[in-house]
Amino acid sequence: DIQMTQSPASLSASIGDRVTITCRASQPISIYLNWYQHKPGKAPKLLIYSASTLQSGVPARFSGRGSGTDFSLTISSLQPEDVATYYCQQSYPAPRTHLTFGQGTRLE
Amino acid sequence: EVQLVQSGVEVRKPGESLKISCKASGYNFTNYWIGWVRHMPGKGLECLGIIFPGDSDTRYSPSFQGQVTISVDKSINTAYLQWSTLKASDTAMYYCARHMFGDFEHGMDNWGQGTTVIVSS
Repeated sequence: DIQMTQSPASLSASIGDRVTITCRASQPISIYLNWYQHKPGKAPKLLIYSASTLQSGVPARFSGRGSGTDFSLTISSLQPEDVATYYCQQSYPAPRTHLTFGQGTRLE
Repeated sequence: EVQLVQSGVEVRKPGESLKISCKASGYNFTNYWIGWVRHMPGKGLECLGIIFPGDSDTRYSPSFQGQVTISVDKSINTAYLQWSTLKASDTAMYYCARHMFGDFEHGMDNWGQGTTVIVSS
């Protein structure tokens, strides 16, 4: 299976800060990488798909980049409502591969 | 409007069976992959498996193969996740979610509200 490694595991930042979370795949996955935001008591929310495409309705301060094995999610100016746990997920469409999430980054 | 509505809180004893549901509306149910995701208390998200309702093609993540069964009933636009023998370690929140664009290569853009499963003696 493809393993996804996120860093850091947790992150403390201030309002207005630029924040970057990284995600590394154990093998190349092209751009089949998605980012989710998960707040306590709520369902996860898709932010970015295909590594860099912003999901409809998601604020433009969120952006994603990368391809192959190295990816990143950036929040350009942190807002109070961005406090959450963020997950990357690979969705590489090869036979017998399975969807896997990173271990999450808790943003405080 | 796309909606996924999950069944309510379930409390069971170890060894019991359980089937939870995810009812879809607002789109053509048979054309989009549905996935099930587990969130254990204090842990990260895990994908249990995915199913394509059109032909019931089902793919399980290795950790969950043989532990759960994913199915659908196309006649009522509903996906299911079931256990034949629950363990205390199955205690978690379970989400269903729809993949975008009719494939599973893109993200999960619509999610159910989650079903809390508590397994305790």
